[in-house]
Amino acid sequence: DTAVSQTPKYLVTQMGNDKSIKCEQNLGHDTMYWYKQDSKKFLKIMFSYNNKELIINETVPNRFSPKSPDKAHLNLHINSLELGDSAVYFCASSHLLGRGGGETQYFGPGTRLLVL
Amino acid sequence: GQNIDQPTEMTATEGAIVQINCTYQTSGFNGLFWYQQHAGEAPTFLSYNVLDGLEEKGRFSSFLSRSKGYSYLLLKELQMKDSASYLCAVLTGGGNKLTFGTGTQLKVEL
Repeated sequence: DTAVSQTPKYLVTQMGNDKSIKCEQNLGHDTMYWYKQDSKKFLKIMFSYNNKELIINETVPNRFSPKSPDKAHLNLHINSLELGDSAVYFCASSHLLGRGGGETQYFGPGTRLLVL
Repeated sequence: GQNIDQPTEMTATEGAIVQINCTYQTSGFNGLFWYQQHAGEAPTFLSYNVLDGLEEKGRFSSFLSRSKGYSYLLLKELQMKDSASYLCAVLTGGGNKLTFGTGTQLKVEL
């Protein structure tokens, strides 16, 4: 199937732990993103990578570190997890701007993170 | 700064037409997107407008007025499965930054 996939789908962990979320896309896109959706359902951009290069870095604690081994993968590592990190994290991918609508972002299924 | 406003909730009847409005004030503009998000699922792409006017796609249409900073999503012949959150999002900057509104929760009733 052509899609954006994420693992794991659910993640329950203790405060202070370190965890990673993986994302892969096989849509041939060159840009990938991480979004956080909080309990009020507000979806906010965290990071964006184009061809393995960081191009968007919003005001996110440096406990969050994205890593892009290649343009089809973008992982998110979170150190020293806090209660406030509980949210749904969505990965997305697109072409970069300039393709007349080809920059539509397609979202993965989300990772539901619960920090206890 | 970026500011995108949508109504929080709307209710409509099956078979009816509903219009969900979105107003925006952003630094730069490269297009406006509408996404649909069912509870517990990912946002899915509905429409894209970059020029003024109406884009029609089946039961869904989206309108844009760049001078007014205004868009709407029109859903016709509403079905129960249209009950979802509808997210307005504006694309800005060279890095494809997509800024979302808080979403409009649409409930379709019999």
